[in-house]
Order: sequence, then C-alpha cells, then structure tokens
Amino acid sequence: DGGITQSPKYLFRKEGQNVTLSCEQNLNHDAMYWYRQDPGQGLRLIYYSQIVNDFQKGDIAEGYSVSREKKESFPLTVTSAQKNPTAFYLCASSTLNNEQFFGPGTRLTVL
Amino acid sequence: QKEVEQNSGPLSVPEGAIASLNCTYSDRGSQSFFWYRQYSGKSPELIMSIYSNGDKEDGRFTAQLNKASQYVSLLIRDSQPSDSATYLCAVTAGYSGTYKYIFGTGTRLKVLA
Repeated sequence: DGGITQSPKYLFRKEGQNVTLSCEQNLNHDAMYWYRQDPGQGLRLIYYSQIVNDFQKGDIAEGYSVSREKKESFPLTVTSAQKNPTAFYLCASSTLNNEQFFGPGTRLTVL
Repeated sequence: QKEVEQNSGPLSVPEGAIASLNCTYSDRGSQSFFWYRQYSGKSPELIMSIYSNGDKEDGRFTAQLNKASQYVSLLIRDSQPSDSATYLCAVTAGYSGTYKYIFGTGTRLKVLA
C-alpha cells in the first residue's frame, strides 16, 4: 500500500530536550511538508522540501529543524528552542498537481 | 485580510440535505484549489481538487470555482451523519522564487440525523 507513515503516534518531551518526529512516504513524491495544528486552529507550515537535499522555512520555522537526505524521508526535530511545542504535527507529500496527502500525525506533549 | 477565509461554523444541516461550504481567497494569481476533510483527532484527507473555473463533480461532492470573484465552494449532496467533520479549503499561489500552499481555518459541518 502506498502512503505516508509518521512515528511515533504520541510523544512526550521534557523541558530542554530535543525530539525527532519521523515521516516516511512511498508515493514517490518529490515535495514534502511539515505542519503544526493547535486545538481549534488551522494548519501552519513549518518547513517544506521540494527536492532531496533542499528545504525551505515555512511560516513558523523557529525552534524546528529538518533534513531531506532521501526522497522518502523528511524528519522534523523539535529543539529546546521551541518554547511551546505541544501540538499535533502533520507530515504531507504532494503530487505534481499539488494535491497533498497527509500522514496520521504525531501528538507531541511537553511534560 | 486573511489569505484564505472560511466561516468557522458550525454549519448544521439535516440528513439528506445539501451542505454548502464556501471559501474566499485574496491572491488573484492563485492557480490550484483543494478541499480537505478532517475528522476530529485525525489528519486531513483530500476530497476534491479544482484548477479551472466552473464545476467539478465527484460522487456526492461538487466543487465550484469562480476566479473572477475569488471564491471556491464545496457542495455535498444527500448529506450523511458521516460527513460531519471540519472542511479545510486550501489554495496554492506562486510567487517569484517562493512557493505557498495556504490553508483556511476550516468550517465545521454537522449533519443532523
């Protein structure tokens, strides 16, 4: 089955800790995205990548970092510099027609 | 002015009725338009995409695009309780050297049995 997987489903972070969220796709899409969604809010773009070894900041990149070493993988690191990281994190990839397909998401909670 | 605007709702319709969801956007250069459905606690799923003026039908769903008036709408015919969800409108706009994909904040739809 083609699709996007994210892991873990739930993640708990202690103060001052960096954590990495995994995102893998087997849809052969070039473009991948990370969004953050807060309760009752819309999606906010953190980072996106349109090709391997290249990525751009979105609207709320501060406190986050990404890498894109393989076409299939686009991990997101939430650093200790992100002061309010509790949110629902969504990874997506898109077709050449810009149709986005989302993974199931990771819920991050700061303890 | 927000780049993509949607009424947050909730929009309540009786089962079997037509639900009409609307979205306006600010960038006249926008090229691609999408509707996503998001159930509570789940990730969004694409239900319709539309790229040119007019109507596009897929099953019970019809997307309507009017670029002159800068709005895109989604009609759901024969609404079912399982259609109760938040519907997100998304628009792509290309700027020189910068790619933008913008989501609205969504309209919550309630279909009453």
